[in-house]
Amino acid sequence: NAGVMQNPRHLVRRRGQEARLRCSPMKGHSHVYWYRQLPEEGLKFMVYLQKENIIDESGMPKERFSAEFPKEGPSILRIQQVVRGDSAAYFCASSPVSGGRETQYFGPGTRLLVL
Amino acid sequence: AQSVTQLDSQVPVFEEAPVELRCNYSSSVSVYLFWYVQYPNQGLQLLLKYLSGSTLVKGINGFEAEFNKSQTSFHLRKPSVHISDTAEYFCAVSDEGYSTLTFGKGTMLLVSP
Repeated sequence: NAGVMQNPRHLVRRRGQEARLRCSPMKGHSHVYWYRQLPEEGLKFMVYLQKENIIDESGMPKERFSAEFPKEGPSILRIQQVVRGDSAAYFCASSPVSGGRETQYFGPGTRLLVL
Repeated sequence: AQSVTQLDSQVPVFEEAPVELRCNYSSSVSVYLFWYVQYPNQGLQLLLKYLSGSTLVKGINGFEAEFNKSQTSFHLRKPSVHISDTAEYFCAVSDEGYSTLTFGKGTMLLVSP
C-alpha cells in the first residue's frame, strides 16, 4: 500500500531556472495539497487541487508559481525563474475526500536548493 | 482566520521522563485539531486528531492530547519518552469549511539518555 510519493527528493537549481516538483497521491485519493516549509518555520499551505481543478490557491505566490493535477499522472508544482528565497522543503499531502476532518497523508517532501 | 501557537521551539528532556508539548489555537468556528510528527528529512506522520466527543484523544506511540475549548488548547503529552521520540512535532488546525491545515511553527523534542 504505497503512500504519497514525491520526486525528486532533492533538487538543486540555479537562479532563473525552472523547478518541477511531482506528487503522486495515495491510491484512491483525489485531493492533493501542497505545503512549503521554510527553515525554522512550520508548514504553510500553498494550493489545494482535485483532479483537473484548482480548489484553493490562496497560499501560492501570484507570480512564478503554478500547480496542476491532471486527469492522468501526478500533481505538478512548477516554479519558474527560481530565486534563492524559493529554497525550502515542499510537501505534498493527499486525502480521499474533502473536508477539514479528513486526515491528510504526507509525502517525504522535495528539498529545493537554489544556488 | 485560524492560527496556531506552539510556545516552545525546543523541549529538552531525559529519557523516561514525562513531556508536554503545548499548542494553542485561535479560530472563530468549531475546529478540528491534529498533531503530526516529523523525523529528520522525512514527511509528516499523523500522531492523533480531535474531531469531536471525548476531549482526551489517544494516538500512536503512547502519545495523547487533551482538547480544552475554554483555554483553546490542545497540548500533547507522553508519560515516558524514549530516545526514538526525538523529532519535530507540529500542531495543526482545520475546520469544516476549510479543508487545508494551518500549522504551528513546531516544537523540537530532544530526548537525551
